Amino acid sequence: QLQLQESGPGLVKPSETLSLTCTVSGRSIGTHSFHWGWIRQPPGKGLEWIGTVSYSGNTHYNPSLRSRVSISVDTSKNQFSLQVNSVTAADTAVYYCVTYLFTELDVHYYYGMDVWGQGTAVVVSS
Amino acid sequence: VLTQSPATLSLSPGERATLSCRASQSISSSFLAWYQQRPGQAPRLLIYGASSRAIGVPDRFSGSGSGTDFTLTINRLEPEDFAVYYCQQYGNSPPLLTFGPGTTVDIK
Repeated sequence: QLQLQESGPGLVKPSETLSLTCTVSGRSIGTHSFHWGWIRQPPGKGLEWIGTVSYSGNTHYNPSLRSRVSISVDTSKNQFSLQVNSVTAADTAVYYCVTYLFTELDVHYYYGMDVWGQGTAVVVSS
Repeated sequence: VLTQSPATLSLSPGERATLSCRASQSISSSFLAWYQQRPGQAPRLLIYGASSRAIGVPDRFSGSGSGTDFTLTINRLEPEDFAVYYCQQYGNSPPLLTFGPGTTVDIK
């Protein structure tokens, strides 16, 4: 059974770097057509896509966060990670890691984010 | 950009809920998904491809629509269906993902 688990500090100081890791179990992170991403949700607000890394290592980011965000993969540990630089209080949120299948053969098809981590709360405060 | 209406829908158990999601420009039905989020929980995939139910989703949930207008219908609301619902678009080129602001279905 595919499971995702976020880990990382729950408190980060303003201007510092937020670092989170998602450990994947039940599927190799390099499995063809699967993508791995990060979503966040500020308190009382909606969902915001942060970025995605594909099975082949390609990354794509939300344009509003691109200058401060980086997603990387460690295939040896079956993990992917998120870094957000120069954080402010606006980065306070629950951060979720997710996975989805996107096929690119004859027809492009998006199968939705079918597995989510439980989420980890990050507070930016001094 | 995705907009959802209404922002809040107040209904009684057993009633039907009709939630709307409108895109600012036409999108492929293959790239539209719906999620349910209960308080304190991670979102859960309900519908992908605009109308295909995810594994384990009861058949009282159905999705429809095309172009710029999409609908999530919940027949015969159960107590566990009172939650927030988000539509979400996959932008193919470049692959950017966007969520709507959500519709809260609460108990009348």
